[in-house]
Amino acid sequence: GQQVMQIPQYQHVQEGEDFTTYCNSSTTLSNIQWYKQRPGGHPVFLIQLVKSGEVKKQKRLTFQFGEAKKNSSLHITATQTTDVGTYFCSGNNDMRFGAGTRLTVKP
Amino acid sequence: NAGVTQTPKFQVLKTGQSMTLQCAQDMNHNSMYWYRQDPGMGLRLIYYSASEGTTDKGEVPNGYNVSRLNKREFSLRLESAAPSQTSVYFCASRTGGRQPQHFGDGTRLSIL
Repeated sequence: GQQVMQIPQYQHVQEGEDFTTYCNSSTTLSNIQWYKQRPGGHPVFLIQLVKSGEVKKQKRLTFQFGEAKKNSSLHITATQTTDVGTYFCSGNNDMRFGAGTRLTVKP
Repeated sequence: NAGVTQTPKFQVLKTGQSMTLQCAQDMNHNSMYWYRQDPGMGLRLIYYSASEGTTDKGEVPNGYNVSRLNKREFSLRLESAAPSQTSVYFCASRTGGRQPQHFGDGTRLSIL
């Protein structure tokens, strides 16, 4: 089965609101990777986290890796319509992906 | 640098027809993957090739076969297409286990 579970499956926000998606694992992860897929597009790699407690930022996106390396989050500040898409995580270099979190943004 | 190239981009088949989806990468990656994505769903792994000369089943291999022709190319074959195989197919590659995957643009396949 899947190593990581991602929640929520869907999130609809008003433009300007914040958004967070979470990946949770029952076991310690060596790393976690985040991808974004725009509607009609293909998944694109965003970032990889490796260290316990690691925090990385990409403009309005903040990625965190938990202290126990069992969970991770992606937070988007002040969403824009360009953030629409599905966000996937993959842990431990797993070649499998979960269902992801689909984000829709109302202008 | 083209990355991962998939052909064709679109295809319509009739039930029972056969077809091969092509994938080629120019990044000298060792590992290659085939996924399918149904509407509103996540990615499901069909087959993968960890290195040239090896192939293994993924989560949903039934009805498919693959060939790792060389380091660059990894093809997916549907021997007898079924409507349940209507989907978007993505090929991906990466240099090794710890590296991110690079995806192609996908093949949109409809089976009538």
